[in-house]
Amino acid sequence: QLQLQESGPGPVKPSETLSLTCSVSGGSIRSSDYYWGWIRQPPGKGLEWMGNIFYSGSTYYNPSLKSRLTISVDTSKNQFSLKLSSVTAADTAVYYCAGVCRRSGQLPSYYHYYMDVWGKGTMVIVSS
Amino acid sequence: DIQMTQSPSSLSASVGDRVTITCRASQSISNYLNWYQQKPGKAPQLLIYAASSLQSGVPSRFSGNGSGTDFTLTITSLQPEDFATYCCQQTYSILPLTFGGGTKVEIK
Repeated sequence: QLQLQESGPGPVKPSETLSLTCSVSGGSIRSSDYYWGWIRQPPGKGLEWMGNIFYSGSTYYNPSLKSRLTISVDTSKNQFSLKLSSVTAADTAVYYCAGVCRRSGQLPSYYHYYMDVWGKGTMVIVSS
Repeated sequence: DIQMTQSPSSLSASVGDRVTITCRASQSISNYLNWYQQKPGKAPQLLIYAASSLQSGVPSRFSGNGSGTDFTLTITSLQPEDFATYCCQQTYSILPLTFGGGTKVEIK
């Protein structure tokens, strides 16, 4: 059974780079069934999709974060990672990694994406 | 961006009640709509994908309906473990994927 676990160095200071890693177990990150995604949730607020990556390195980023966000994959370690630069207090959130299934839909070139495996989440506080 | 609006933002219900939550998209998204359940301090869990397909392992009291801009999640007989926040997500446009603001289901 696929399991995901986020890890990171803890609190981050404003203007620094936030780095997180998601370790995948119970399956291969090279699976053609999954993209791998990051989603965050500020305290008391809703979910925000940050981006997805395929094991080949192909990425989709939320345009609102694209200038600051890098998602990468390390197939040798069965891990994928997030780097968010120039953080501010607004980046304080619980960060989740997820396995994202992609399936063809009724419409040509439009795919269903659904996050059916999630990590437990890690709280990142941006504070000086 | 496609905006997803849920209503109500919260509701109170009793065990055994039928509960319906609505999600409206700012433009037509066909059936590219997922529903998630989130309990406090926990990660979301997928309930429904493609508007009406029940995720494996999810109880049959959950059902999804809709197409275009208007969607519903229905719980036919609310159970104690169903008190949680429910959130919709559109996947018609991946740039970006967007979530609704959530509906908190509380005990009456």
